[in-house]
Amino acid sequence: DIVMTQSPDSLAVSLGERATINCKSSQSVLYNSNNKNYLAWYQQKPGQPPKLLIYWASTRESGVPDRFSGSGSGTDFTLTISSLQAEDVAVYYCQQYYGTPLTFGQGTKLEIK
Amino acid sequence: QLQLQESGPGLVKPSETLSLTCTVSGDSISSSSYYWGWIRQPPGKGLEWVGTIYYSGSTYYNPSLKSRVTISVDTSKNQFSLKLISVTAADTAVYYCARVHYGSGSYRPYYFDYWGQGALVTVSS
Repeated sequence: DIVMTQSPDSLAVSLGERATINCKSSQSVLYNSNNKNYLAWYQQKPGQPPKLLIYWASTRESGVPDRFSGSGSGTDFTLTISSLQAEDVAVYYCQQYYGTPLTFGQGTKLEIK
Repeated sequence: QLQLQESGPGLVKPSETLSLTCTVSGDSISSSSYYWGWIRQPPGKGLEWVGTIYYSGSTYYNPSLKSRVTISVDTSKNQFSLKLISVTAADTAVYYCARVHYGSGSYRPYYFDYWGQGALVTVSS
């Protein structure tokens, strides 16, 4: 199984500041034949299901604000929120789909400082 | 607008079978463009993929659950279902159903773009 490890486990950022969440996979999720990274990011607010934010490591889902961006390749990935808004308080998960079983990171809790 | 809704008993006794159904509205489950899947989340914990099904009945399961899980599809009702046998307290979780993107060449499941609200299933006597 591909193990996904996120850091930090929790993060407190001031409103308007940048938030950065990291995700590391135990093996590369870059498929060389198409040069795509098989990685997605989700946001989960309390009492709600996860919401897809990013797929292919950097493609923003329709309707997701452009302050959310994804980057990285191979085994190391980052979700960045450029200017934190109050509604961004949530737990964020990365997920690899390079192979089955599909696996998620343990989650990063983002709060307001 | 696509909607998914989980339904089923909220309480299951240990050693019995957990059964949930996901009703899809706003899209046909027979669409060849997507898989349909189940993900679970124990209270206060992270996400675990359970399994995925295509309208034809082709399935992918998490090996950690494969001996106990069955996912089936009923295209006439636009539903798909989860059965998990021999449950224990460790199976207590919110169970989500979701639409799944897949690889057009590999036919492997990829990521989840629409989710149901989730159904809490507690395993307890």
